[in-house]
Amino acid sequence: DAGITQSPRHKVTETGTPVTLRCHQTENHRYMYWYRQDPGHGLRLIHYSYGVKDTDKGEVSDGYSVSRSKTEDFLLTLESATSSQTSVYFCAISEKPQGAPEAFFGQGTRLTVV
Amino acid sequence: AQSVTQPDIHITVSEGASLELRCNYSYGATPYLFWYVQSPGQGLQLLLKYFSGDTLVQGIKGFEAEFKRSQSSFNLRKPSVHWSDAAEYFCAVGMDSNYQLIWGAGTKLIIKP
Repeated sequence: DAGITQSPRHKVTETGTPVTLRCHQTENHRYMYWYRQDPGHGLRLIHYSYGVKDTDKGEVSDGYSVSRSKTEDFLLTLESATSSQTSVYFCAISEKPQGAPEAFFGQGTRLTVV
Repeated sequence: AQSVTQPDIHITVSEGASLELRCNYSYGATPYLFWYVQSPGQGLQLLLKYFSGDTLVQGIKGFEAEFKRSQSSFNLRKPSVHWSDAAEYFCAVGMDSNYQLIWGAGTKLIIKP
């Protein structure tokens, strides 16, 4: 299995509080992605990174920010959590864009905003 | 707009029967094509991928998929399903022009004993 660790695996937080999710990889892959997964929507890209300090927005970036100060770590921050951000969040890594030849996924973080 | 459609939200198949999961995409050129599987509570695992060449690709766990350019489809097949195949299956496409994978909404496979 690819070395991807997401933390925490589960979190319950209150509306309006900041939350940071962490993705750590040991594969030295250049590209890292944050997705959210909601029933009926598949996976939707929040932000991605194509190198240290190089990040860009995805399809559903509003309310989220990211940082990548080291190759191995990609942080997702919800500045002020809202109930609409209750979801399962997945981190993915790949050597090349679009997950070609393959994107490897973490186990996910289940976030509940109450 | 670019999109990926998996028309079946749920599919129920008897164990030992054949399986076909449908995936259609909307793009101007041939994209990279993927099928991933997600077991409950788990992350996603790549089953197979198509980049170019032979339009019939073989994947892990006995799955295969066929790229049909004329139909903009990339359907996933398995000749005989096992109870352990019960999971959710996602089709995804990627393009050279950007970094994003576009995902279908998924098809949940239920296996009847």
